[in-house]
Amino acid sequence: DAKTTQPTSMDCAEGRAANLPCNHSTISGNEYVYWYRQIHSQGPQYIIHGLKNNETNEMASLIITEDRKSSTLILPHATLRDTAVYYCVHYGGSQGNLIFGKGTKLSVKP
Amino acid sequence: EAQVTQNPRYLITVTGKKLTVTCSQNMNHEYMSWYRQDPGLGLRQIYYSMNVEVTDKGDVPEGYKVSRKEKRNFPLILESPSPNQTSLYFCASSRDRGNSNQPQHFGDGTRLSIL
Repeated sequence: DAKTTQPTSMDCAEGRAANLPCNHSTISGNEYVYWYRQIHSQGPQYIIHGLKNNETNEMASLIITEDRKSSTLILPHATLRDTAVYYCVHYGGSQGNLIFGKGTKLSVKP
Repeated sequence: EAQVTQNPRYLITVTGKKLTVTCSQNMNHEYMSWYRQDPGLGLRQIYYSMNVEVTDKGDVPEGYKVSRKEKRNFPLILESPSPNQTSLYFCASSRDRGNSNQPQHFGDGTRLSIL
């Protein structure tokens, strides 16, 4: 079962920053937190991942709290094409399977 | 371009008619995996492979087979498809499984309808 919880849905105005929270208080200290998004029924698209430190790449920034109990994905300038379901994800164990929760449906509005 | 390619993208077929969904990756990844996605159930792992000739069951393997004869290919075989296998299927790959500092890359999906 997923160890992550996210809001069911969020709205964001185009051009503004979208901040998507995730609680993962039961993830162990050596487990990375991953973020993926899924647009319609396309394949999940990898966005970013992190362990303890904040991370940034060309798509987004990831802020992880010092106690590692939660994180926030930041899309700095959301566009209409960023409308998708965003998943905060962790590995399930020795199978190497990713555990997806229910995700947050982000709607970017003009 | 690094990618995971699945074929076909869509398939409607009938109960009992054997089918194969192909998956190929061009990133020289050792680890490959199949998931199915169903409404309300999220993504569930069917089978995975840690390397050539090494495969193992995931969480929902019943009714499926896989093979890994080459590093780049990981086909999913439904020997006798049934309606409860109607689903959206994704293939994924990563450099390896052992280190969790490895993002998995997903294909675009295959939508199967078994009548």
